[in-house]
Amino acid sequence: DQQVKQNSPSLSVQEGRISILNCDYTNSMFDYFLWYKKYPAEGPTFLISISSIKDKNEDGRFTVFLNKSAKHLSLHIVPSQPGDSAVYFCAASSSSGTYKYIFGTGTRLKVLA
Amino acid sequence: NAGVTQTPKFQVLKTGQSMTLQCAQDMNHNSMYWYRQDPGMGLRLIYYSASEGTTDKGEVPNGYNVSRLNKREFSLRLESAAPSQTSVYFCASRKIQGVSNSPLHFGNGTRLTVT
Repeated sequence: DQQVKQNSPSLSVQEGRISILNCDYTNSMFDYFLWYKKYPAEGPTFLISISSIKDKNEDGRFTVFLNKSAKHLSLHIVPSQPGDSAVYFCAASSSSGTYKYIFGTGTRLKVLA
Repeated sequence: NAGVTQTPKFQVLKTGQSMTLQCAQDMNHNSMYWYRQDPGMGLRLIYYSASEGTTDKGEVPNGYNVSRLNKREFSLRLESAAPSQTSVYFCASRKIQGVSNSPLHFGNGTRLTVT
């Protein structure tokens, strides 16, 4: 049972436009959500996170939105740059003490120059 | 600051052979994790260690064992490798501070092929 889902395997966006990556989760105990970026032959690197007490968190060009009632989060990248081309993973965890982070299957973003 | 270091970077095994993947972190983190990444499957948790001296199963633990050697090191062992264990393996760590959440920090991975 996939508790964290990224239903779009790939996304192409023109440079300068907005990229929107989506993630859905099923476990209502999840209360901390993260986005990671991964380049080929490297490990995932942390991008941005959000706690369930917030519905938005912004860091430069990156904004994460959380809709708890829909169990949905999204990552907005504005403006998109060619260097943003990578695989993006969302992840979720619960503060109820299990310390486990569950990841989605990833979305490959390609930003076209 | 090296962060999370994994060795080896690449490995080819024959079916039935054994090997240990090594992981060390120098960030004084409490928790350590092993994930595998497969096409279309994302990152799946194999085992984790919430703190020194403890280990727990993740989503896909079968065929693996782990050892939390000390606070810095967390190894993953394949006793009898199978082709289904061909994957990229990532080690990660994070600091636990009270009940606050914190992100995982990943190593650069070990690419394992079992023939």
